[in-house]
Amino acid sequence: GENVEQHPSTLSVQEGDSAVIKCTYSDSASNYFPWYKQELGKRPQLIIDIRSNVGEKKDQRIAVTLNKTAKHFSLHITETQPEDSAVYFCAASRAHSWGKLQFGAGTQVVVTP
Amino acid sequence: EAQVTQNPRYLITVTGKKLTVTCSQNMNHEYMSWYRQDPGLGLRQIYYSMNVEVTDKGDVPEGYKVSRKEKRNFPLILESPSPNQTSLYFCASSPFSYNEQFFGPGTRLTVL
Repeated sequence: GENVEQHPSTLSVQEGDSAVIKCTYSDSASNYFPWYKQELGKRPQLIIDIRSNVGEKKDQRIAVTLNKTAKHFSLHITETQPEDSAVYFCAASRAHSWGKLQFGAGTQVVVTP
Repeated sequence: EAQVTQNPRYLITVTGKKLTVTCSQNMNHEYMSWYRQDPGLGLRQIYYSMNVEVTDKGDVPEGYKVSRKEKRNFPLILESPSPNQTSLYFCASSPFSYNEQFFGPGTRLTVL
């Protein structure tokens, strides 16, 4: 089955700096890669997703890149702000798995003013 | 308001006492799923449903049952709960499987 590894497990950045979280996946047939943000005590919420026919996707300060050959995808947050502090989860889903979604273990991001 | 609801939000129970956590969505979504969240392990999928009467196992289905008799409801059943099922549980729904999932508020379950 699919296995998703996420690094680092914790990330501390200065406000205004960039943050990068990387995930690797094992199943080359995976084709959908969402990122979820979970603030303390809240439910996960989708922040961005990418499909395997696209190499990069941006949404304001957030971007995701996908390298299918190397089987990894990364979340980039630029100009970090204190409200970016949260746990971020990557996930992967493969075609013909009919609904299975494999999450990474999460990255705790702390943005210090 | 479009939402996913779960009940109860908090539950403390004892080993072996059957329980059901309800999940309901009002967005007419085809896809629903259950996850458990444990520290250091992220979100692990328990069961999912592509449509009414269509359910399948996720990565950690042991000790759980689900049913999807109506489109809006997807209850999670623990027939004989054990302490290792102590966790934070999330239900989620989506228009279809490869799309944004909308999560419920979570149910914190403690099994003594």
